[in-house]
Amino acid sequence: GQNIDQPTEMTATEGAIVQINCTYQTSGFNGLFWYQQHAGEAPTFLSYNVLDGLEEKGRFSSFLSRSKGYSYLLLKELQMKDSASYLCAVRVSTDSWGKLQFGAGTQVVVTP
Amino acid sequence: GAVVSQHPSWVICKSGTSVKIECRSLDFQATTMFWYRQFPKQSLMLMATSNEGSKATYEQGVEKDKFLINHASLTLSTLTVTSAHPEDSSFYICSARDQSPDRVTTSSLDEQFFGPGTRLTVL
Repeated sequence: GQNIDQPTEMTATEGAIVQINCTYQTSGFNGLFWYQQHAGEAPTFLSYNVLDGLEEKGRFSSFLSRSKGYSYLLLKELQMKDSASYLCAVRVSTDSWGKLQFGAGTQVVVTP
Repeated sequence: GAVVSQHPSWVICKSGTSVKIECRSLDFQATTMFWYRQFPKQSLMLMATSNEGSKATYEQGVEKDKFLINHASLTLSTLTVTSAHPEDSSFYICSARDQSPDRVTTSSLDEQFFGPGTRLTVL
């Protein structure tokens, strides 16, 4: 089976930094994605890691360690609009269709 | 570019009726599309992989006779929920891979582009 674990909820204040961890145990690995999803809307792509290391994209950064089966998404200078669910998804390499396995999502609540 | 649309955005139906949901890739070809279901405060659960011109591949536990998938062209996949019941009420989301030659060769990202979702309520 595939296991992708992330915390259920995190709360932080506006302007702060929050780190969302994701650990995975999958039969194969061909990339890890982070998506943002506001309630009632479709997920939007945030970042992609396939090699170890840090990928930075403005206020958002994502880190991957394949040997540890671990990733995190770092959100800096939090804004109220960042309140959303953040989904970690792994593309399992054994699947030629590029299927994604999603974690349960982390609800981030940004307070004033 | 890489826009995926879904229709309808929401639908309310009576128990026992069938509902068809369309997923379209507007500006790219999508040989492969995916259908997900999402219950409130839960993550996306993959239901099936839809391939143009062939039968869909369903995930374990998903009834293929209840959730009919047709991928008739490179830009359209449809999901029909047959004999819907209240427990089928959910948020249905499709996604598509952009497999046009220029994108495939220039990027290993091969990301999925998600549609805006369809909220189904069965009374």
